[in-house]
Amino acid sequence: DIVLTQSPGTLSLSPGERATLSCRASQSLSSSYLAWYQQKPGQAPRLLIYGASSRATGIPDRFSGSGSGTDFTLTISRLEPEDFAVYYCQQYGSSPRTFGQGTKLEIK
Amino acid sequence: VHLVQSGAEVKKPGASVKVSCKASGYTFTDYYLHWVRQAPGQELEWMGWINPNGGGTNSAQKFQGRVTVTADTSLSTAYMELSSLRYDDTAVYHCARAGRVGSRPSAFDIWGQGTMVTVSS
Repeated sequence: DIVLTQSPGTLSLSPGERATLSCRASQSLSSSYLAWYQQKPGQAPRLLIYGASSRATGIPDRFSGSGSGTDFTLTISRLEPEDFAVYYCQQYGSSPRTFGQGTKLEIK
Repeated sequence: VHLVQSGAEVKKPGASVKVSCKASGYTFTDYYLHWVRQAPGQELEWMGWINPNGGGTNSAQKFQGRVTVTADTSLSTAYMELSSLRYDDTAVYHCARAGRVGSRPSAFDIWGQGTMVTVSS
């Protein structure tokens, strides 16, 4: 199974700051089948990024994804109050699909 | 496009639970449907998928023998049944739509609201 390790576990920032979240895979991901999701308490996850760098429909352009192989990054250029949530990466090119353990983005 | 799931369940250890996921706004048989669970305060855990067009399925090895994923195309509804429930099966269970059948792998773009399953004696 492909293990995804996210860092940091918790990120404390203020609105307006830049957030950089990391996701490292235990083996190279074919065709960059890497997605990022945002989850708020009591809600289902919401797809932000797929294919490592493509924004899903309706996602603001302050969210961007990059990386390839085993190292991937989600960047939020200027944090808005509604961006504070838990973020998960997922690989979907191999079975079983696997998720990272999540990064909690909290207000400083 | 929506996925609407059945309501919360409370089950005893050893029992089975069946969660439904009704699709609307798209052609049900055109897209894979996955199941993902999340124990309280824990990360997301992928369980398996179904191809509603033909019924092919695949599940995580952890759940093989205990999980059954089916679909009723006449109702545009998928089902996930988990048997021999244990206390650590207490979780929110989500269905999620992935890519078109026959296409390259896809991320999960539409999610159901989740169904809370509590295993308690």
